[in-house]
Amino acid sequence: EDQVTQSPEALRLQEGESSSLNCSYTVSGLRGLFWYRQDPGKGPEFLFTLYSAGEEKEKERLKATLTKKESFLHITAPKPEDSATYLCALANAGGTSYGKLTFGQGTILTVHP
Amino acid sequence: DSGVTQTPKHLITATGQRVTLRCSPRSGDLSVYWYQQSLDQGLQFLIQYYNGEERAKGNILERFSAQQFPDLHSELNLSSLELGDSALYFCASSPGIGGGGYTFGSGTRLTVV
Repeated sequence: EDQVTQSPEALRLQEGESSSLNCSYTVSGLRGLFWYRQDPGKGPEFLFTLYSAGEEKEKERLKATLTKKESFLHITAPKPEDSATYLCALANAGGTSYGKLTFGQGTILTVHP
Repeated sequence: DSGVTQTPKHLITATGQRVTLRCSPRSGDLSVYWYQQSLDQGLQFLIQYYNGEERAKGNILERFSAQQFPDLHSELNLSSLELGDSALYFCASSPGIGGGGYTFGSGTRLTVV
């Protein structure tokens, strides 16, 4: 069964204090690893898709990396507007649920000014 | 605005009742996905439709059903509602059966009293 575990559950940072969020996963065959940002009461907002180990993607202060067992979301010099819940999800390459995303529980990031 | 439209935004109803949630996908997207988000379960995949046909099914209760119409909008029907069905229900869309970043709507908050 596909599983996604995110840590930590919550992270508090000072503005400018860089850190990383972890996403550990188990899957029979990975089609893609997705990162989303979700603000309170809103739908998840797509950030990145990673397809194979060693791949990296960047967007502003965010950088996502992928290994065969984990993905990291690195946040460099965060600002208060980066405060949100960050969700990791995977898509399995096989089976009858090709389009299904399995989500982790998320990491709640709070950045203090 | 993500381009995925969900109505209504809020719904309050009594136990035992039936409700219908509506989703219009982003222009050009053929797949529609339904997810349920509760505090204790996180984002859970319910069902996927592609161009009018059911493609994948998650842990969707028998009391719940969905369909996708020829104009590609989708409806999620929830019947015999229970208190535990209170949650945020999200619709997402993508161009194909699977693929890159799924685009989520802003959700329907269902409260069963």
